Amino acid sequence: GQQLNQSPQSMFIQEGEDVSMNCTSSSIFNTWLWYKQDPGEGPVLLIALYKAGELTSNGRLTAQFGITRKDSFLNISASIPSDVGIYFCAGRGSNFGNEKLTFGTGTRLTIIP
Amino acid sequence: GAVVSQHPSRVICKSGTSVKIECRSLDFQATTMFWYRQFPKQSLMLMATSNEGSKATYEQGVEKDKFLINHASLTLSTLTVTSAHPEDSSFYICSALSLAGDEQFFGPGTRLTVL
Repeated sequence: GQQLNQSPQSMFIQEGEDVSMNCTSSSIFNTWLWYKQDPGEGPVLLIALYKAGELTSNGRLTAQFGITRKDSFLNISASIPSDVGIYFCAGRGSNFGNEKLTFGTGTRLTIIP
Repeated sequence: GAVVSQHPSRVICKSGTSVKIECRSLDFQATTMFWYRQFPKQSLMLMATSNEGSKATYEQGVEKDKFLINHASLTLSTLTVTSAHPEDSSFYICSALSLAGDEQFFGPGTRLTVL
């Protein structure tokens, strides 16, 4: 199936640093979602974006829905140890939840002590 | 709210046997549930969409006779991996569509190991 390309694939940062990751697609999506997955767990929704150009924050997290509707980015400010995990973007063709999600390839975040 | 559980959390079985995985929405009713498979260090890949009271819709390349899905109630969907083989070893994750129909809530996953 189709996948979204995420970059970087992995990041090694120090605590307190800001993090930026993005997700690109060859096709248009009308909903972009960002999830975090801890080892051995299911993904947890962080931010949902429903409108092109939309910029949404959730605490230290900020995400934007690209104007072209083919990309999105996620920023994490002042990283803390619990930010460690794998971050996935996901796209959907509509704003309807019953339509299937296409997941990105993931960005693995590691904090160096 | 919006808690989804899966049982078992991990299972080890012999090749050729069948394994059933349950997905439950604990505090809401879900007419639609989704089943995903995730291989190590890879992304989630949708296997099928499960609708209460009707047949599941399978993604291309997913064998419906091997991965049996039953969504008999508004809070329970089951995935049965029939005649499991080592290549079926994976992390299986379900999600349930919220009552408002806007978002999916994911279960904690089931780790299947086929010997």
